[in-house]
Parts: sequence; structure tokens; C-alpha cells
Amino acid sequence: NAGVTQTPKFRVLKTGQSMTLLCAQDMNHEYMYWYRQDPGMGLRLIHYSVGEGTTAKGEVPDGYNVSRLKKQNFLLGLESAAPSQTSVYFCASSPGVGQGEETQYFGPGTRLLVL
Amino acid sequence: AQSVAQPEDQVNVAEGNPLTVKCTYSVSGNPYLFWYVQYPNRGLQFLLKYITGDNLVKGSYGFEAEFNKSQTSFHLKKPSALVSDSALYFCAVRPRGTDSWGKLQFGAGTQVVVTP
Repeated sequence: NAGVTQTPKFRVLKTGQSMTLLCAQDMNHEYMYWYRQDPGMGLRLIHYSVGEGTTAKGEVPDGYNVSRLKKQNFLLGLESAAPSQTSVYFCASSPGVGQGEETQYFGPGTRLLVL
Repeated sequence: AQSVAQPEDQVNVAEGNPLTVKCTYSVSGNPYLFWYVQYPNRGLQFLLKYITGDNLVKGSYGFEAEFNKSQTSFHLKKPSALVSDSALYFCAVRPRGTDSWGKLQFGAGTQVVVTP
């Protein structure tokens, strides 16, 4: 049971390039989340999903898109990367309602540097 | 608007001494309260949560937290700190209700440094 995994671990992009971050969970969780972590600001929610085929905006969604075509995967896309998107990105998942949905489980993170 | 405050950027404590990491929040109703820990270059690990019931919650690695409704606080405590407890600690709050999945709010984090 790997839990929540993220690919890649580290990436360097040039301004304007695009990329996709992959999150996978093997716990059959209903809900999945993407956060970014910046120094002194804690974690901020980018987008989240309450089930396969559904997504919703979080606190800081601009410049990002997401897709959840399969229950176990949640993709985060940057269409045109900007230096302001340099950050550490964390994926998380949580069970469904009545199964402990309030507790989120986090992946190891992806460090992204945009030059 | 909801908010979470961790008033100390860093807490320094000698090994064997008690450790306290403070958290206060501003959320309407009776929110869920959490503590997570982050070790260097790692993701966040769940430590404990308060849902309902006893105000003293026990969690992983000997940590506990005390919920105080009147002071809207949820301070993390450990009676005897270890060097291995050195890490970044996050308090998080989420309103109750099935429409609040996307509303988990984190504090800015408190760096704990335990010296031998």
C-alpha cells in the first residue's frame, strides 16, 4: 500500500512552458486535493475533487487546471508556467463521507522551479 | 472568514523538556481541528484531530492536544521532547458540514527545534 504518490519529485521549467503533475492514491479515497506550499504561508488549496469526473476551485486556482478522469488519479496542469508558480506542490486524499473524510493524507511533494 | 494563527515561527526546547506549540483559530461553529507534522523534504503526516468529546486528544508519537472552546485554541503538547521531534508543525481547521471539503485552512507553521 503506497498511499499517495506524486510524479515527478522535482522539475525545472522555463517561463511559458507547460507541464502536468500526477497524483495517484491506492486507498480508494473519494476526495483528492492539490495544495501549494510557500515559505511562511502554510499550505493553500489550489483545486480539489469530490469524486471521479468532478473538480472544484480552491483558494488559489488561477494559472492551474485539474482533471480527475479516474478515481485514483488527480492531475494538476500548468498551461503556461510563471515564476510565481515556483513552489512545492502537495497532493492529498481523504475517504468518503462517514469514513473519516475529515482527515487528509498527503503525498511526498513535487518541487517546481520556474525560471 | 476563517483563519488559523500559529503565533510562534519557531519554538526551541531542550530534549526531555515539555513542548508546546500554540494554535488559535477563528471559524464559526464547531470546526474539526488537526495537527500535522512535516519532516524535511517530506509530505505532511497526520498527528491527531479533534472531532468531538474529550477536550484532550491523544495522537501519534506521544503528542496530545488540548481543545479550548472559550479561547478557540488547540495547542499541541508533548511532555518530554525528543531530538527527533524537530520538524515543522501545522495546525489546520475545517468547518463541519458536507460542503466543506475544500475549506481546510492551515496555519503558517511552527518550526520546532529540539536540542540535545
